[in-house]
Amino acid sequence: AQSVTQLDSHVSVSEGTPVLLRCNYSSSYSPSLFWYVQHPNKGLQLLLKYTSAATLVKGINGFEAEFKKSETSFHLTKPSAHMSDAAEYFCVVSYNTDKLIFGTGTRLQVFP
Amino acid sequence: KAGVTQTPRYLIKTRGQQVTLSCSPISGHRSVSWYQQTPGQGLQFLFEYFSETQRNKGNFPGRFSGRQFSNSRSEMNVSTLELGDSALYLCASRPGSNTGELFFGEGSRLTVL
Repeated sequence: AQSVTQLDSHVSVSEGTPVLLRCNYSSSYSPSLFWYVQHPNKGLQLLLKYTSAATLVKGINGFEAEFKKSETSFHLTKPSAHMSDAAEYFCVVSYNTDKLIFGTGTRLQVFP
Repeated sequence: KAGVTQTPRYLIKTRGQQVTLSCSPISGHRSVSWYQQTPGQGLQFLFEYFSETQRNKGNFPGRFSGRQFSNSRSEMNVSTLELGDSALYLCASRPGSNTGELFFGEGSRLTVL
């Protein structure tokens, strides 16, 4: 079955340190992959997307993600966390651009 | 360009009542999807409409229904409300049903007492 797994439900980092949020997808034909961010009581906002162009994708607010087919991964990274990055992050996969499959989310805490 | 607009933002209902939520997509977007978000179940897909036709449906009981109008605005209805229906209901739009990126509204927070 097609699926997406976010390996950590919670991640805590100190401000100014790197962020790594992990995402794996089930192997199938070429997926489209997305990362969304949700701040409290808000809707989801697209951070970045991969659609079979460059494997390293740069998004908003300094985030980037690398598509690794051999590892079926699409991890989200940021070199230096900011307090405003505290939010929930969703990895999303689509195999036929029709149906989107959402991960269970990773809550990022940033400590001063 | 205005974003996805959902109304109302907050509402409180009692068990057994029904509720209608509204979503206005981004201008030019013809696909509207609805999601339910709860702390226990996370984000769950309800249904997607494209050009007034339901294209996909999630695994929810028949109490949850929706429709889309010719101007692409969509409504979802929940009848005979249960306590477990308390959730944030998110609407998202995209230009067509086969383009991946979704644009979300801020949601309607429903509390059922």
